This record gives sequence, structure tokens and C-alpha cells, in this order.
Amino acid sequence: QKEVEQDPGPLSVPEGAIVSLNCTYSNSAFQYFMWYRQYSRKGPELLMYTYSSGNKEDGRFTAQVDKSSKYISLFIRDSQPSDSATYLCAMRYSGGNQFYFGTGTSLTVIP
Amino acid sequence: NAGVTQTPKFQVLKTGQSMTLQCAQDMNHNSMYWYRQDPGMGLRLIYYSASEGTTDKGEVPNGYNVSRLNKREFSLRLESAAPSQTSVYFCASSEGGYTFGSGTRLTVV
Repeated sequence: QKEVEQDPGPLSVPEGAIVSLNCTYSNSAFQYFMWYRQYSRKGPELLMYTYSSGNKEDGRFTAQVDKSSKYISLFIRDSQPSDSATYLCAMRYSGGNQFYFGTGTSLTVIP
Repeated sequence: NAGVTQTPKFQVLKTGQSMTLQCAQDMNHNSMYWYRQDPGMGLRLIYYSASEGTTDKGEVPNGYNVSRLNKREFSLRLESAAPSQTSVYFCASSEGGYTFGSGTRLTVV
């Protein structure tokens, strides 16, 4: 079983829709959680970075962590065609050196 | 612009050839990483360096070597390239979240 599971999609939504992207994980020791956005043929760029459980909001993006369910989510409100990309979740242990990545979910927002 | 710079951006190698991928960061980060990204496999850690002078194996180190030349630079070497090493390689540095370079697309024929 992989440490981090992520539905690869693809996910296609109309412009303006609310998008929900999710990851599950197996190890309860994970404490730090990130979401990355990766455009085609580019490197991943950090979107959201959260510690432990709870919600974090940044503009149209909200990251949610539910440690009891070992489940994290990224919500995108009022989705735009420029949000079309692959979204990667990542997480690491407290004191750890590396992040463990999901395989990514491909999102297309249709104008 | 501050960030992580990788060279080259593209490379085609013949089986058995060697090459070094270069990475430099100007954010004064202590930790640097090399990942490979393959379809359906996600990002997998090859090697990392928690600080200048130290390196450690990641999930898929076989066939690779690394050098942390100084705090800024972390290189990845393929001594004898194999078709299984065809991939996109990303360097990253970190103080908390990662900052990635733009990647090297390597094809081994």
C-alpha cells in the first residue's frame, strides 16, 4: 500500500464550479501537509502548506486536514481555466526530511 | 529571480553513457532533493541532502550518485544510463515547503 493515495482523475468541470481534490494516507505520524499545482511541462509550485488538523484559506483555495480520518482536501472556489493543471498532495512526518507525494489529480476547467 | 535552477532542460543519452544533472538554489536553504517523476508513479525521491556535506538515499537511489558541492549546489550523476532512467528529474530545495526547479527531461535510448 502506498503511503499517500490520490485519485488521478482526470477531473473536468465548468468554469465557476467548486472543485474538491482529495488525498488519503496510511501513516498517522504525518504532521505537515502541502498542495502543489503543476502545469504541463513545468515544475510543481507550492499552493498551500498546513500543519496538523484544521482549515487554511488563501483566496479561492481552502486546504482541509482531517487527521482522524487520514484525509486531506483542497477546495477551489469559482474555478478558472487558468486552474487547469495537475494537483499534487504531499505530507511529511514531524522532524522528517522528505515529503511523500500523491500521484496527482489532473484538472481541466472548461470555459 | 530567486529560485532553483536546473541544467540541462533536455537530454538524450545512449544506454551506458554517463551524465551529470546540475542544480543550484539561491534561497540559502539547507535541504536539497532530487526527485524523478514518471506517469502513474508520481514524484519519487532519489537522494536528498539535509545540509552541506551530508547526503542520504531516498526511495529509488539505484543507478544514481549525488554530490552536495556547497550550500547552493546539488548535482545528480548517472554513471551508466539505462532506458529505465528515462524520466523527468526535478531538483528542489526546502526550508519548510519545497521550491522546485523546472525539471530535466531525460531520454535514454
